[in-house]
Amino acid sequence: NAGVTQTPKFQVLKTGQSMTLQCAQDMNHEYMSWYRQDPGMGLRLIHYSVGAGITDQGEVPNGYNVSRSTTEDFPLRLLSAAPSQTSVYFCASRRDRGVREAFFGQGTRLTVV
Amino acid sequence: GEDVEQSLFLSVREGDSSVINCTYTDSSSTYLYWYKQEPGAGLQLLTYIFSNMDMKQDQRLTVLLNKKDKHLSLRIADTQTGDSAIYFCAEGGSGGYNKLIFGAGTRLAVHP
Repeated sequence: NAGVTQTPKFQVLKTGQSMTLQCAQDMNHEYMSWYRQDPGMGLRLIHYSVGAGITDQGEVPNGYNVSRSTTEDFPLRLLSAAPSQTSVYFCASRRDRGVREAFFGQGTRLTVV
Repeated sequence: GEDVEQSLFLSVREGDSSVINCTYTDSSSTYLYWYKQEPGAGLQLLTYIFSNMDMKQDQRLTVLLNKKDKHLSLRIADTQTGDSAIYFCAEGGSGGYNKLIFGAGTRLAVHP
């Protein structure tokens, strides 16, 4: 049972480059989300999705795009990377009702130089 | 808006009890959670409490909820070195999606 899989684990980008962080889950969860984790600031919600074809902005969406064409996948795109996007990124998924336990991927450590 | 606050660091001796505190602002939260993050890993749900409860015990863990003061605490009895991690408090925020709002995390260091 893979759970939530994120790739890559590490990435270094130059300012202005674009890339896509991949996230896949095999639990048939409706809800998926992307967070970034910065020292002293905890996890901040970037974008989330409540089902295939439905996405919405979280707390810090600027500079990021998402799409949800399937239940399983929720990629996060950086169109033009900036040093302020240096962070650890976590993808999470959960069921749509009841105790809202979120299952997290292992994280992607991104450095923008 | 919604906000969750917790102290950033706690140091305890092995075998002592640890108490990690958290305050939150959204009184409509249905569930309140404690997540644990070990080095280099994602977050894992440790325990949760429903908002109409004031206490929940799960082996070495005790969660206390003071809804009037919007204060949540996690007590770890007989703290072990394996408990060293970052502990995040989270609330299930209001709104249709019930976003999870996390605190900044408390780093627990357990020393001999």
